[in-house]
Amino acid sequence: QKEVEQNSGPLSVPEGAIASLNCTYSDRGSQSFFWYRQYSGKSPELIMFIYSNGDKEDGRFTAQLNKASQYVSLLIRDSQPSDSATYLCAVNPPKSGSARQLTFGSGTQLTVLP
Amino acid sequence: GAVVSQHPSWVICKSGTSVKIECRSLDFQATTMFWYRQFPKKSLMLMATSNEGSKATYEQGVEKDKFLINHASLTLSTLTVTSAHPEDSSFYICSAQGSGSLYEQYFGPGTRLTVT
Repeated sequence: QKEVEQNSGPLSVPEGAIASLNCTYSDRGSQSFFWYRQYSGKSPELIMFIYSNGDKEDGRFTAQLNKASQYVSLLIRDSQPSDSATYLCAVNPPKSGSARQLTFGSGTQLTVLP
Repeated sequence: GAVVSQHPSWVICKSGTSVKIECRSLDFQATTMFWYRQFPKKSLMLMATSNEGSKATYEQGVEKDKFLINHASLTLSTLTVTSAHPEDSSFYICSAQGSGSLYEQYFGPGTRLTVT
């Protein structure tokens, strides 16, 4: 079982719709969770982080965390073609300890159709 | 805030030469920096973790003598690819992490290395 799993996609949604991206993690002791957006040929950009159960909203983005079920999701409301990118889920597993590393999923490719 | 720069953004070098890539945190002190490489349409692969003033910790399978990492200050880390070969051609990305954070990493724009 991979430590952080995401559907690779591609996920296609029409412009204006809600895009839902999901991520599951294996280490129950993980404490911090991150969503990065990576455009083709570019480096990842941090868009959201969450560490408490529940929802966290920032503009059109909402991160949802359920530690009991070990999943974290990202909702993008009013999706725009400019949201088309690969979205990476990252988790801080307890084993990283002082190394402070993140474990990344392989990413979900999102395409927003105009 | 949380801006990380990387230089150069792209470089072409001949096989057998060495290439140095710089990573700087511009508006915060980065106690930890990470170096990744990414092949086209593939996942990020962590190469090494470096803490200011300490030797870098390399991931399994990454040759420390080939990929020299120096983290001389809280705002600068360098990666030197020594005796580069065509198979080292890749997208190299650094990230920086501040102290007292929730472990979020801020990425530099990346360096595209092509070895001919």
